[in-house]
Amino acid sequence: GIQVEQSPPDLILQEGANSTLRCNFSDSVNNLQWFHQNPWGQLINLFYIPSGTKQNGRLSATTVATERYSLLYISSSQTTDSGVYFCAVGRNTGNQFYFGTGTSLTVIP
Amino acid sequence: NAGVTQTPKFRVLKTGQSMTLLCAQDMNHEYMYWYRQDPGMGLRLIHYSVGEGTTAKGEVPDGYNVSRLKKQNFLLGLESAAPSQTSVYFCASSYPLGGGLTNIQYFGAGTRLSVL
Repeated sequence: GIQVEQSPPDLILQEGANSTLRCNFSDSVNNLQWFHQNPWGQLINLFYIPSGTKQNGRLSATTVATERYSLLYISSSQTTDSGVYFCAVGRNTGNQFYFGTGTSLTVIP
Repeated sequence: NAGVTQTPKFRVLKTGQSMTLLCAQDMNHEYMYWYRQDPGMGLRLIHYSVGEGTTAKGEVPDGYNVSRLKKQNFLLGLESAAPSQTSVYFCASSYPLGGGLTNIQYFGAGTRLSVL
């Protein structure tokens, strides 16, 4: 399978601060998604971004597929951003997805 | 439009008991997946299906069986539950984009299973 490493494992921010989460993967992929798992356990898709850059409000993501990493940027963080952020990758030889172990984010008021 | 629905939400089993988890999606998605989530290990794929009547093994298939008799339903079975199967189970579905090479996953709310 594909190894997926996320950093940092834990992050505590003051409300209003910015942060960058990183996802490294061990093999070429053509599918990469970022998810947010809220404190109630629900997984929400944030970005589908196998390459390039996308933005959605205060969140943006960049994937450099040739260098096998992706970054998730959170600007002006809010307490509702708390939770665990997962990166998941896949490749076209199958339909399996491989998840990282996540970054646990806590935003304090 | 309910999306992906998992039942039950919680279950406690004794070692050796059997049970079936149901996943239902109303988005007409072709692909469906079962994952387990354990503390500190992220999500790991158990089994998946690329269409009605087809299933395939994922990363951690041992001790589980699945069936996809209808396009909208994907069942996960535990024939003889073990304490090591205590976990949170997530179902996901997706419709492949771009000629089948990519897809975006939508998740259910999860089933918390404890095996004593």
